[in-house]
Amino acid sequence: KAGVTQTPRYLIKTRGQQVTLSCSPISGHRSVSWYQQTPGQGLQFLFEYFSETQRNKGNFPGRFSGRQFSNSRSEMNVSTLELGDSALYLCASSFADRVSYEQYFGPGTRLTVT
Amino acid sequence: AQKITQTQPGMFVQEKEAVTLDCTYDTSDPSYGLFWYKQPSSGEMIFLIYQGSYDQQNATEGRYSLNFQKARKSANLVISASQLGDSAMYFCAMRGRGQGAQKLVFGQGTRLTINP
Repeated sequence: KAGVTQTPRYLIKTRGQQVTLSCSPISGHRSVSWYQQTPGQGLQFLFEYFSETQRNKGNFPGRFSGRQFSNSRSEMNVSTLELGDSALYLCASSFADRVSYEQYFGPGTRLTVT
Repeated sequence: AQKITQTQPGMFVQEKEAVTLDCTYDTSDPSYGLFWYKQPSSGEMIFLIYQGSYDQQNATEGRYSLNFQKARKSANLVISASQLGDSAMYFCAMRGRGQGAQKLVFGQGTRLTINP
């Protein structure tokens, strides 16, 4: 069974630009979550999608948005990039939102904002 | 609110020794799950082991075991017979109920270095 895939793996953008990251979950998984990882803040939850609906959102500004398609693939978008948005963005998929179901992570997209 | 605390920023261990990585948690949910993930320098988070709050026995997965002490709210990861490939960041995480089940709350992580 294929794992979670994320594209692109690396991105370099300039302040003020926008960026779209893509995540394809494990086949059969309908829940997709996004996390931001930085040296200073650690791993922080961005949002979670299930059946094309955003069900939970972390404490991030409105510049961060996402969506999920009918095939469970998800995208996240960051508009008006700031230097502080430089981070590793991790996508995770899960079969369901139950406490016992682990989230499987993709390799991440490393975003650098200059 | 849920919180995970990992008090060991870094650990250095000799190859083949056992190592314990500490994790304490705080939650008001009666039902929750505790997870450990390994993150090598490549960045991918690798699931290692899961412990449910109602599980009577400590979880084990190969060389990994979880020392779950519910009353102390601790969920320490034990790696037996460490190997050079175990060098990585290790994160303890929690998942709760309801909306809390839709996300993992992570600790700050422990960087484990295995010396030959």
